[in-house]
Amino acid sequence: EAQVTQNPRYLITVTGKKLTVTCSQNMNHEYMSWYRQDPGLGLRQIYYSMNVEVTDKGDVPEGYKVSRKEKRNFPLILESPSPNQTSLYFCASSRDGRNTEAFFGQGTRLTVV
Amino acid sequence: AQRVTQPEKLLSVFKGAPVELKCNYSYSGSPELFWYVQYSRQRLQLLLRHISRESIKGFTADLNKGETSFHLKKPFAQEEDSAMYYCALSGTGFQKLVFGTGTRLLVSP
Repeated sequence: EAQVTQNPRYLITVTGKKLTVTCSQNMNHEYMSWYRQDPGLGLRQIYYSMNVEVTDKGDVPEGYKVSRKEKRNFPLILESPSPNQTSLYFCASSRDGRNTEAFFGQGTRLTVV
Repeated sequence: AQRVTQPEKLLSVFKGAPVELKCNYSYSGSPELFWYVQYSRQRLQLLLRHISRESIKGFTADLNKGETSFHLKKPFAQEEDSAMYYCALSGTGFQKLVFGTGTRLLVSP
């Protein structure tokens, strides 16, 4: 089944403790991205990647890192999480970044205390 | 800069009533518009895109470049249409989707 898989689905952590949210897609898509969803703000793009080893900042990149060593994986790294990063995170992939359908993961609900 | 505006946070209608979810965009180039839907406890998924000119689950959307709008319409709402709806924009020269803030549609029996 074609899908985007994120892990974990839920995570509670403490301020400053490094964490990684994994994202994997099995559709051989070149384009992958991370969004955060906050009430009243919709989805905002954090980082995106157009291909292996090619990443770029989205609209809200501060406090996040990403890597794209393989086509299928696009992990999101929070080196020193803070409470304002408490949010619902979505990973997405698409054939390209423009007019093709984006496929989303199930979401990761992160709480930083 | 590219921008998508969905002016209604919540739209509440009765079953069988017509629905129109508004979406306006700001982009000087040639836009590509999408509607995504998120049902309760499900992941975000594509509902329709303007380039396909299709009707999905009874929903249609017409791109009006003069009014820079891409409103989503359905003549007779069903309870199963209750969900969060996001309008999204892409276009030449930028490799991403820009989302609006979303409209929650609530269809009551």
